[in-house]
Amino acid sequence: GENVEQHPSTLSVQEGDSAVIKCTYSDSASNYFPWYKQELGKRPQLIIDIRSNVGEKKDQRIAVTLNKTAKHFSLHITETQPEDSAVYFCASTHSGGSNYKLTFGKGTLLTVNP
Amino acid sequence: EAQVTQNPRYLITVTGKKLTVTCSQNMNHEYMSWYRQDPGLGLRQIYYSMNVEVTDKGDVPEGYKVSRKEKRNFPLILESPSPNQTSLYFCASSLYDSRDSQVDTQYFGPGTRLTVL
Repeated sequence: GENVEQHPSTLSVQEGDSAVIKCTYSDSASNYFPWYKQELGKRPQLIIDIRSNVGEKKDQRIAVTLNKTAKHFSLHITETQPEDSAVYFCASTHSGGSNYKLTFGKGTLLTVNP
Repeated sequence: EAQVTQNPRYLITVTGKKLTVTCSQNMNHEYMSWYRQDPGLGLRQIYYSMNVEVTDKGDVPEGYKVSRKEKRNFPLILESPSPNQTSLYFCASSLYDSRDSQVDTQYFGPGTRLTVL
């Protein structure tokens, strides 16, 4: 089955700096890669996603890049703010055939210091 | 308001006492799923459903059952709960486009914190 590795597990940055979180996946047939943000005590919420026919996607301060050849994708947050502090999860899914499982990474605790 | 609801939000029970956690969505989503979240392990998928009467195992299905008799509801059943099922459980739903076999954004419920003594 699919295996998703996420690094780092914790990340501390100063306000205004950039933060990068990386994930690798094992199933070359995976074709949808969402990123979720989970604040303390809250539910996960989608912040950005990318499909396998796209190499990069950007939404204001957040961007995701995908390298299908290397089977890795990354979340980039620029000009970090204290409210960006949360746990971030990457995920991958292979849609098609009979398998529609969604596999998550173990999460990255991002702390943005004022 | 578009939402996914779960009940109960908190539950403390004892080993072996059957329980059901309900999940309901009002967005007419085809795809529904259950996850458990444990410290250091992230979110792990228990079961998912592509549509009414269509369910399949996720990565950690042992000890759980599900049913999908109606499109809006996807209950999680623990027939004989054990302490290792103490966890935070999330239900989620999303659109599924059968034309291109694409699962879309997952919308999560508020979570159910289960403790099995």
